[in-house]
Formats: sequence, C-alpha cells, structure tokens
Amino acid sequence: QQQVKQSPQSLIVQKGGISIINCAYENTAFDYFPWYQQFPGKGPALLIAIRPDVSEKKEGRFTISFNKSAKQFSLHIMDSQPGDSATYFCAARGSNYKLTFGKGTLLTVNP
Amino acid sequence: EAGVAQSPRYKIIEKRQSVAFWCNPISGHATLYWYQQILGQGPKLLIQFQNNGVVDDSQLPKDRFSAERLKGVDSTLKIQPAKLEDSAVYLCASSRQPLEQYFGPGTRLTVT
Repeated sequence: QQQVKQSPQSLIVQKGGISIINCAYENTAFDYFPWYQQFPGKGPALLIAIRPDVSEKKEGRFTISFNKSAKQFSLHIMDSQPGDSATYFCAARGSNYKLTFGKGTLLTVNP
Repeated sequence: EAGVAQSPRYKIIEKRQSVAFWCNPISGHATLYWYQQILGQGPKLLIQFQNNGVVDDSQLPKDRFSAERLKGVDSTLKIQPAKLEDSAVYLCASSRQPLEQYFGPGTRLTVT
C-alpha cells in the first residue's frame, strides 16, 4: 500500500523556469513532511521540510506548499538551474519517526 | 563532521549466495536506519535501531535478512540467501534528532 503518492514521475524544465512536484498522502497521523534531493550515485539529502501547522515554507529558491485539508503538499523550485537536475523524493513521517517515501521525480533542467 | 560511511559501494553476487553490508553512522547519532531502494522507487525502511535496540523491523524479510548494531555504533545488514529481487541500493542513514536523517552513499547490490 503506497501511502505517499508523488507526481509527475519525470519533469523537464527550461533553465529559469519553475519546477513543481506534487505529493498526496492518506495517513492523517503524519506529522512532518520532508523533501529529499538525490544525485546519481549519492544518498538522498534533506532539501526542505514542513510541519502540517504551516501552509508554506520557503528556503531560497525552494518552497513547500502544504494543504492539510486536501492532504497534499508540493515542492516549487523557482529559477530552476541545470545543477538542480536530480531525483526528488517527498516523504512523510509517521509513528516511531518512520519515513515513508514517494516514488520520486526525475527532474531535468535544460540549459 | 564526517558523513555516514558505507561499504562496499558495489557488490555483485549470484543468487543463493550471501552478502553483508557495513555502515558507520555519524558520530553521536543514536538512531540508525537501513533502507532498500529499488531502481525507480523511493527508499523503503527495512530496519531502525535506537542505540543497539530495534525500534522497527516490520518490513525486514526476516527469513533472509538480518541486521545488527554492534555496541550502538556500527551496523551490518546481511542477506542469506540472496534472491534476484534483492537487487537494489541499500542505504544507511543516521540521525541525532528524530527529524533529520543523514544518508550514506549506499551499496549497489546486483544479484545474478
């Protein structure tokens, strides 16, 4: 049972454009929603995270929008750069601080 | 601060053979996690340790997978015997606080 659904599976954006990745969850007990960035051959690295009592969090070019009633959250990458090309995973934290990950989005930013 | 170390980085074995992976977490991190990441999917938690005790191993195939955390620091994950569907990247992560997990580079396992 997939508890965190992520879309799209892949995304191509031009340099300077906005990249948007969406996630939806079902378990209302989730209390922390991080996004991870993974480059080939590397482990995932925490990019930005949000708690459900906040509707938006911004760090530099990265913004998380959170809609608690719809049980959805999204990552926006403003002014996308070729160096942002990576796989992005959303996740949700449940009991015992266990993270459940989405299936990932392969982002390609063309120069 | 040194990151999470894992070895080996790559391993190729035949089905029914055994294999072991090693993880050294960031110093001072009490919580250690092993994840399985199949190509094209997100990481799936196999087992979580708090110091040297198991917190969650609900998704660990215990008939073939085992893990231990020696003295609450290093950890090993073993597969015996391996199956073709075990081909994946095995990631180790550690955390001091419950929030942020730091991942190692992973071990890519290919079972032929």
